[in-house]
Amino acid sequence: NAGVTQTPKFQVLKTGQSMTLQCAQDMNHNSMYWYRQDPGMGLRLIYYSASEGTTDKGEVPNGYNVSRLNKREFSLRLESAAPSQTSVYFCASSETLLGRDQPQHFGDGTRLSIL
Amino acid sequence: QKEVEQNSGPLSVPEGAIASLNCTYSDRVSQSFFWYRQYSGKSPELIMSIYSNGDKEDGRFTAQLNKASQYVSLLIRDSQPSDSATYLCAVNAPGAGSYQLTFGKGTKLSVIP
Repeated sequence: NAGVTQTPKFQVLKTGQSMTLQCAQDMNHNSMYWYRQDPGMGLRLIYYSASEGTTDKGEVPNGYNVSRLNKREFSLRLESAAPSQTSVYFCASSETLLGRDQPQHFGDGTRLSIL
Repeated sequence: QKEVEQNSGPLSVPEGAIASLNCTYSDRVSQSFFWYRQYSGKSPELIMSIYSNGDKEDGRFTAQLNKASQYVSLLIRDSQPSDSATYLCAVNAPGAGSYQLTFGKGTKLSVIP
């Protein structure tokens, strides 16, 4: 059981380049999330998808777009990468049960450097 | 703006001691609380979830929740060097953007052999 799988694990980009980070989960979870983690800043939510077909902005959405391709897959796109987007990106997923928030389960992360 | 506060540490405890990690949160309507462990260079890993006031025990870990004081803690008994990691507190609130978690910045724990 793979859980949450992110690709790639590492990436170096030049300023202005674009790329898409991929995330897939095999736990049949409804909700999926993209975070970035920077030293001293903790985990910050970029975008989330409460269910297939819906996406919403989180705390730091500027410079990013997302696509919930189907129930399993949630991708994050950087259209024109900037050095400020150098970070570790985590995808997470969670079950949705009425009346109680379920824990989020994280992928291994993508370490992205933008020169 | 929901806030979750943790002491950044590092918190150093000798092997075999009890490590106490604390977290306060600002949103009074928060209902769900989670503790994650994150080893250096790795992803966050769920340790405990707690939803009701009081204590919840799982092996060497005990989560304590006091909603009136807006305080949640994690106790690690018989601390081991393998417990050395950063511990993240995460808090949610129903209806507040649906299923979003607010994470604290984490407390770095170092268990000294």
